Amino acid sequence: AQSVAQPEDQVNVAEGNPLTVKCTYSVSGNPYLFWYVQYPNRGLQFLLKYITGDNLVKGSYGFEAEFNKSQTSFHLKKPSALVSDSALYFCAVRAVYSGGYQKVTFGIGTKLQVIP
Amino acid sequence: DAGITQSPRHKVTETGTPVTLRCHQTENHRYMYWYRQDPGHGLRLIHYSYGVKDTDKGEVSDGYSVSRSKTEDFLLTLESATSSQTSVYFCAITTDRGNYGYTFGSGTRLTVV
Repeated sequence: AQSVAQPEDQVNVAEGNPLTVKCTYSVSGNPYLFWYVQYPNRGLQFLLKYITGDNLVKGSYGFEAEFNKSQTSFHLKKPSALVSDSALYFCAVRAVYSGGYQKVTFGIGTKLQVIP
Repeated sequence: DAGITQSPRHKVTETGTPVTLRCHQTENHRYMYWYRQDPGHGLRLIHYSYGVKDTDKGEVSDGYSVSRSKTEDFLLTLESATSSQTSVYFCAITTDRGNYGYTFGSGTRLTVV
């Protein structure tokens, strides 16, 4: 079965420090991996994706993520956190199965709190 | 969120009544999706559409139906609302089954009393 795990309900980090939001996945075949951010009372916004190629992916607002196939992980990172980064972050995996059927599964989300 | 709007933004309804939520896009995207967001569950797919009059069920489709008579509109109907359907509902669109991510609407907060 396809699944995404975000093991931390909340991550607290001081402003200016590096941040990591963890994501691991389980899927048959090659995964397409995504990170989205959700600000209060808003829809999810696309941050970055991994489809193929370089394992380090750069996205919006200075975020990046590292794809690790052996650990089936896709952790979100940022070198220096901003208070404005405080939000809910979702990891998602997409896989394509036989017959072209595709499925996207989202994690339950991790709340990032950046402390001034 | 540019190009995709949901209406209403908030709704309170009584148990047993039908409710229709609307998703409207101006991007001419082929694929449209309805998700519900609940604490501890993340986003779960209710129904999706891959073209006009082409729809299919997601993982939590019981109690919901959809229609897509035009490319730009995707309607979600709760046939007889229940308290378990109290949730935030999001519509999403994409051009290519999601290879490059989804664009989400701002959501509809539905409360069933």
